[in-house]
Amino acid sequence: EAQVTQNPRYLITVTGKKLTVTCSQNMNHEYMSWYRQDPGLGLRQIYYSMNVEVTDKGDVPEGYKVSRKEKRNFPLILESPSPNQTSLYFCASSFDGGWGYTFGSGTRLTVV
Amino acid sequence: AQKVTQAQTEISVVEKEDVTLDCVYETRDTTYYLFWYKQPPSGELVFLIRRNSFDEQNEISGRYSWNFQKSTSSFNFTITASQVVDSAVYFCALIQPNAGGTSYGKLTFGQGTILTVHP
Repeated sequence: EAQVTQNPRYLITVTGKKLTVTCSQNMNHEYMSWYRQDPGLGLRQIYYSMNVEVTDKGDVPEGYKVSRKEKRNFPLILESPSPNQTSLYFCASSFDGGWGYTFGSGTRLTVV
Repeated sequence: AQKVTQAQTEISVVEKEDVTLDCVYETRDTTYYLFWYKQPPSGELVFLIRRNSFDEQNEISGRYSWNFQKSTSSFNFTITASQVVDSAVYFCALIQPNAGGTSYGKLTFGQGTILTVHP
């Protein structure tokens, strides 16, 4: 089944404790992207990647890191999480970036 | 820069009523794609429709219909005879496939409209 898999689905952590949210797709897609969803703001792009080793900032990159060492994986790293990063996060992938995205099931992160 | 505006923050209707969700977009490109996604209470994003900028035909799928008007930069979504299962957050979104730099392949979302259908 073609899908984007995110883990974990739910995560509660403390301020400053480094964490990684994993994302993997099995569709051989070139493009991958991370979004965060906050009430009243819709979904905003954090980072995106056009291919292996090619990443760039989206609208709200501060406090996040990503890497794309393999085509299928695009982990989101929070080196020192803060409460304002409490949000619902979505990973998405696309064949060419212009046709539309397939989304993962989301990761609900709470930073206390 | 591209922008999507969903002016209706929340809509509440009674079952069997028709409801229209508004979406207005801004883009400088002549080639773009518009989308609607549904986010039920379980949280996942469900793709509903994709429409390219060269196809202004309205589309109907069961109780759902979409009205795309380039003249007003709008892509409105109507649910006919709403049901309780339609309760969700609905997002309109835009992609400019030919945009350069950081806009390439970027899916820009509206703020979302919370639809509640009461029995």
